[in-house]
Amino acid sequence: KNQVEQSPQSLIILEGKNCTLQCNYTVSPFSNLRWYKQDTGRGPVSLTIMTFSENTKSNGRYTATLDADTKQSSLHITASQLSDSASYICVARPNSGGSQGNLIFGKGTKLSVKP
Amino acid sequence: DSGVTQTPKHLITATGQRVTLRCSPRSGDLSVYWYQQSLDQGLQFLIQYYNGEERAKGNILERFSAQQFPDLHSELNLSSLELGDSALYFCASSSRDRTYNEQFFGPGTRLTVL
Repeated sequence: KNQVEQSPQSLIILEGKNCTLQCNYTVSPFSNLRWYKQDTGRGPVSLTIMTFSENTKSNGRYTATLDADTKQSSLHITASQLSDSASYICVARPNSGGSQGNLIFGKGTKLSVKP
Repeated sequence: DSGVTQTPKHLITATGQRVTLRCSPRSGDLSVYWYQQSLDQGLQFLIQYYNGEERAKGNILERFSAQQFPDLHSELNLSSLELGDSALYFCASSSRDRTYNEQFFGPGTRLTVL
């Protein structure tokens, strides 16, 4: 069964600190992996999209890594800001051909950045 | 602002009722996706339309239906509502239906069934 597991479930850090969020997926065959940021009560916003052949991708202070062999991804946030407080969702896309409609979403990691 | 609009923002109704949620995709986007997000749950894919035709179906209940109109806006119809249908419903759009196309999400409709 295609699944995406994220850890930790929640995380509290102090402003200015770094943190790393983890994602394990059992999606096969695998096409690409995405990280989204979702503010409370808002729609998710894409941070990165990585294909199976990419190891790392950055978007400002966000850096995602992907190890397609171990089926693991991480999202590293550098010099956290209060506005980084949100849920971070890992999403895997199976390579089943056809439509995009079968994205597999993790439950997210809820990050709280405290002053 | 993603460019995807959803109405209404909030909806409160009673069990057994029927509601319609509306989504307007980004200008030029042909694909529309509907998702359900229950409390503390991940996003669940419901259904996708591409240029007016159903393209993929996820965990959509038989009580739910959707359509995409010629102007590309989409509606999600929820009938015989139950308490468990209370959730955030998101619409997303993408320009085409390619593997790496990014999906842009709307702000969501919060449905409360009492």
